[in-house]
Amino acid sequence: QQQVKQSPQSLIVQKGGISIINCAYENTAFDYFPWYQQFPGKGPALLIAIRPDVSEKKEGRFTISFNKSAKQFSLHIMDSQPGDSATYFCAASFVGNQFYFGTGTSLTVIP
Amino acid sequence: KAGVTQTPRYLIKTRGQQVTLSCSPISGHRSVSWYQQTPGQGLQFLFEYFSETQRNKGNFPGRFSGRQFSNSRSEMNVSTLELGDSALYLCASNRRGEIGTGELFFGEGSRLTVL
Repeated sequence: QQQVKQSPQSLIVQKGGISIINCAYENTAFDYFPWYQQFPGKGPALLIAIRPDVSEKKEGRFTISFNKSAKQFSLHIMDSQPGDSATYFCAASFVGNQFYFGTGTSLTVIP
Repeated sequence: KAGVTQTPRYLIKTRGQQVTLSCSPISGHRSVSWYQQTPGQGLQFLFEYFSETQRNKGNFPGRFSGRQFSNSRSEMNVSTLELGDSALYLCASNRRGEIGTGELFFGEGSRLTVL
């Protein structure tokens, strides 16, 4: 059973547009929600993370929106650039347990 | 500071063979975890080691095993390879001692192809 469900599987956005990737979870014990970015031939790297005590976290053009009651969180990439083209993974965890990753979203930003 | 190093980067095996993958974590990181990455399945957790002890294990058959050495380097082994074992195997190290917290630093992975 997939603990974290991620959508869409792939996304094509024009340069300058907004990219939105959504994730949903069931286990209310999760208290840490990171997003990882993976470029071809590389391992994933932490992009941004949030804890459920806040509804939004912004770092540059990247924003996580968190809805605790709906058990959903999303990544927004503002002013998307071709260099943002990568695979994005959401994840969830709590202390003492493993990280559960979503299935990934392949983002392509068209110049 | 050197990142997480995984060897070999690419390997091809045939069904029934066994394979050993190696991971050297970032210096000072004592937690090492392994993931299997396949298209459509994302990253599936295999196991996590801390100070030579396996603390957590994912839902993989017993053919998948691992270990960690006193210098925190880790190896994973897959015996009796099946076609479905073809995947990118990622190792990640973590500075934090508690599993499920902190930042995972991933290596570039070992790409296994089973023929």
